[in-house]
Amino acid sequence: EAEVAQSPRYKITEKSQAVAFWCDPISGHATLYWYRQILGQGPELLVQFQDESVVDDSQLPKDRFSAERLKGVDSTLKIQPAELGDSAMYLCASSLQGLAGTETQYFGPGTRLLVL
Amino acid sequence: AQSVTQPDIHITVSEGASLELRCNYSYGATPYLFWYVQSPGQGLQLLLKYFSGDTLVQGIKGFEAEFKRSQSSFNLRKPSVHWSDAAEYFCAVGRNTGFQKLVFGTGTRLLVSP
Repeated sequence: EAEVAQSPRYKITEKSQAVAFWCDPISGHATLYWYRQILGQGPELLVQFQDESVVDDSQLPKDRFSAERLKGVDSTLKIQPAELGDSAMYLCASSLQGLAGTETQYFGPGTRLLVL
Repeated sequence: AQSVTQPDIHITVSEGASLELRCNYSYGATPYLFWYVQSPGQGLQLLLKYFSGDTLVQGIKGFEAEFKRSQSSFNLRKPSVHWSDAAEYFCAVGRNTGFQKLVFGTGTRLLVSP
């Protein structure tokens, strides 16, 4: 069964350092999502790609976060500089077309970030 | 804008007992509703989803959910809980136009006692 891959699974960094997370969606999925999940809360959408284009980054803190999906396949989420409040689980998900409706989003295992 | 409320932070159920997790949503149009489950340290897995038709929806692992428009609710149920069901459960609401955007509740952690 195809899965969404993410790496690394865990990352510990010091504040003010740069970190990057990688996501490889299910093959053929046009839509890729990055979510942030703070401990004790539900996932919150950071950015959504349709192929290589950003369709929603309204919740992305653009002063320190950036995301790219250059060839419309895998994606990288970067934080520079990291702050203590960025400690969270970063989840990647993908779906076939990303159109509103009952389309299923498939989630990867996540990257747990700890900023010291 | 969509919003979801899951009023129970934790629920403890004895193995073999029935389960009901509550979810209330807010959305101005006909909602798309989802339940996801998250095991510790893992990503989310879809249990079931609803848009229209029969208001009782069957999902994987023996779960079902009932949509009640008059109560703006989409509660998740299981007749007999197994120890492996211990996890965190998230309700989500999606919009019905444009690109899909899910808004998740804060989750309910299910503990199963022997």
